[in-house]
Amino acid sequence: EDKVVQSPLSLVVHEGDTVTLNCSYEVTNFRSLLWYKQEKKAPTFLFMLTSSGIEKKSGRLSSILDKKELFSILNITATQTGDSAIYLCALNSNYQLIWGAGTKLIIKP
Amino acid sequence: EAGVAQSPRYKIIEKRQSVAFWCNPISGHATLYWYQQILGQGPKLLIQFQNNGVVDDSQLPKDRFSAERLKGVDSTLKIQPAKLEDSAVYLCASSLERSTGELFFGEGSRLTVL
Repeated sequence: EDKVVQSPLSLVVHEGDTVTLNCSYEVTNFRSLLWYKQEKKAPTFLFMLTSSGIEKKSGRLSSILDKKELFSILNITATQTGDSAIYLCALNSNYQLIWGAGTKLIIKP
Repeated sequence: EAGVAQSPRYKIIEKRQSVAFWCNPISGHATLYWYQQILGQGPKLLIQFQNNGVVDDSQLPKDRFSAERLKGVDSTLKIQPAKLEDSAVYLCASSLERSTGELFFGEGSRLTVL
């Protein structure tokens, strides 16, 4: 059965810290892995990863996929209070998205 | 470009009552999704449409939930009768292509069942 597990479930850090969020998965037919950011409103798309070892980067956020070990990480450097959100990992398997429970990130000023 | 529109934003009803949510996807997006998100959990797919046809409704509780997408554009999700455990945020999303997984979400409709 396809499964996505995110860790930690919650994380509190101070502004300026670097954080690493984890997403491990089990899949029958991998198509892609996606990261979304969810603030109080709807999830917004961050990255889509399809190939191992190729880092995707957007400003202070970056993500990488390891298809051998079946996990992905999302890094945020020099965190800001605006980074406080729930970060969701989703697996695209057979055109279906399987979602993790999310990591709730709180950035303290 | 206008985003995904949903209404109402909030709804409070008593159990056994009915409720309907409306969604208008981004223009040109063929695929439309309804998700249920309970606090502390990831979104759970209820139903996926490709144009006006149902692609996946395997997790839709069909005894009480129904959804339609007439003319392949906007969509309505109905719950009748509602149960306490239906309290959740109902997210509508659309995508240009079914295969990529890049979804655009609406603001969500928060349902509280008392």
